Amino acid sequence: DQQVKQNSPSLSVQEGRISILNCDYTNSMFDYFLWYKKYPAEGPTFLISISSIKDKNEDGRFTVFLNKSAKHLSLHIVPSQPGDSAVYFCAASDGGTSYGKLTFGQGTILTVHP
Amino acid sequence: NAGVTQTPKFQVLKTGQSMTLQCAQDMNHEYMSWYRQDPGMGLRLIHYSVGAGITDQGEVPNGYNVSRSTTEDFPLRLLSAAPSQTSVYFCASSYSGPEGKLFFGSGTQLSVL
Repeated sequence: DQQVKQNSPSLSVQEGRISILNCDYTNSMFDYFLWYKKYPAEGPTFLISISSIKDKNEDGRFTVFLNKSAKHLSLHIVPSQPGDSAVYFCAASDGGTSYGKLTFGQGTILTVHP
Repeated sequence: NAGVTQTPKFQVLKTGQSMTLQCAQDMNHEYMSWYRQDPGMGLRLIHYSVGAGITDQGEVPNGYNVSRSTTEDFPLRLLSAAPSQTSVYFCASSYSGPEGKLFFGSGTQLSVL
């Protein structure tokens, strides 16, 4: 049973426009949500996170929105740049007993065209 | 500061062979873990450790062994490799805290023929 789902395998956007990546979860015990970015032949790198007590967190061009009632979060990238082309993973943490374990979604391949 | 270091980067094994994937971190993190990445499956947890001498199973532990004798090192052993273990393996470390933020190594691409 996939507790974290990214239903869009890929997304293509034009440079300068907004990229919106979506993620759904089923486990109500998750209390932190994280986004990771992965380039080919590299390990995932942390991008941004949000606590379940917030509904928005912003860091430069990246904003994560959390809708707890819908068990849905999204990552907005504005404006999108060609260097943002990568695989994006949504992940969730059960903070109370996480021990550094995260549950990941399947990933979304973002392609930003010049 | 190297972060999380994994070796080797690439490995080809024959079915039935054994090998150890090495992982070391220099951030003095308590927690370490191993994930595998397969197409369409995201990253799945194999084993994790909350400190030296303490390990536990993740979502997909079968066919893998781990041990943690020091804070820095967390090797992953494949006892008898199978084609189903063809994957990209990532080691990660994290400090204690509710966020669970992981720091990943660069990965090992393993092919089992």
